This record gives sequence, C-alpha cells and structure tokens, in this order.
Amino acid sequence: NAGVTQTPKFQVLKTGQSMTLQCAQDMNHNSMYWYRQDPGMGLRLIYYSASEGTTDKGEVPNGYNVSRLNKREFSLRLESAAPSQTSVYFCASSAAIYEQYFGPGTRLTVT
Amino acid sequence: GESVGLHLPTLSVQEGDNSIINCAYSNSASDYFIWYKQESGKGPQFIIDIRSNMDKRQGQRVTVLLNKTVKHLSLQIAATQPGDSAVYFCAENIRGNQFYFGTGTSLTVIP
Repeated sequence: NAGVTQTPKFQVLKTGQSMTLQCAQDMNHNSMYWYRQDPGMGLRLIYYSASEGTTDKGEVPNGYNVSRLNKREFSLRLESAAPSQTSVYFCASSAAIYEQYFGPGTRLTVT
Repeated sequence: GESVGLHLPTLSVQEGDNSIINCAYSNSASDYFIWYKQESGKGPQFIIDIRSNMDKRQGQRVTVLLNKTVKHLSLQIAATQPGDSAVYFCAENIRGNQFYFGTGTSLTVIP
C-alpha cells in the first residue's frame, strides 16, 4: 500500500515550457487535490476533484489544468510555465471531505 | 477568502516538556479543523482533527482544544520528543472540499 505517489520528485523548466505532474493513490479515495506550497505561506488549493469525472477550481487555478483520469489518478498540467509557478506541489486524496493524505511533493523550478 | 493564522512562527522546547501550538481562525462558520505535521522534505501528515461541536479531542500524546468564542484552536503535545520536530499546520474547512491552511509553526525540540 503506497498511499499517494507523485512523479517526478524534482523538475526544472524554462519559461514557456509545459509539463504534467502525475499523482496516483491506491486507497480507493473518491476525492483528490492539488496544492502548491510557497515559502512563508500555507498550502493553497489549485484544483480538486470530488469524485471521478468532476474537477473544480480552488484558490489559485490560473495557469493550471487538471485531469481526473480515473479514480486512482489526478494529473496537473502547466501549459506554459512561468517563474511564479516555482513551488512545491502536493497531491492529496481523501475518502470524504475530511482527512486528507498527502504525497511526498514535486519540487518545481521555472527559470 | 478566509485565512488561518498562527500566533508564533517558531517554537523551541526541551525534550520531555509539553508543547503548545496555537492557531487563530477568522470564519465563525468553520465547522471542522485539522492539525497536520510536516517534516522536512515530506508531505503533510494528519495528526488529529476536531469538529465545531467539540471543545477538546485527545489522541496519542496530542490534544486539540477549540475555543469557538475567540476562534482559536491549539495543539498540545505531551512529553515532546526529538521526532516531534517539524512544522505544524492547522487547516480549516468552511465549505465542501476546500480547506484553508495556516502558514505553519516550526517546532524544534532541544535534546
């Protein structure tokens, strides 16, 4: 039981490049989330998916898109990376709207 | 949007002492709160939660207190150990799947 896994662990992009962050969970959770964490700030919700087939914007969705591929997988795409998107990205999942389980994070640098 | 704040950004305690980490929230409609622990280089890990119809909840060596009158919650860690050194976040749920996270308190345990 791996919990929540994220790939890649580290990534460096040039401004304007695109990439997809992958997330998978093996806990049969309905809900999945993408957060970003910046120094001196709390986790901020980018997008979430309450159940397979649905996605909703969070607090900071601009510049990102998501896909809930199936119940296990929830990906985050940056179409045209900007330096302001340099951050640590966390994926999480939950059985309901409560306790969330987090992955180890992806450290993204955009130069 | 609503924000969750912490009174102290850093806290140092002697091993074996009790630790108290505080959190203020601003939305009186918030009905559910979670404390997370985040070790360096890892994702947040659930510690304990509390609903707004409760004043106190205890776990293993941890207690969360909720004071709705002054919109304040605290996390108490008994007999603090070196392994408790981490950043602690409170998170507040006010609607659906969305949580707002505080900036965190960094706890350092002095051996």
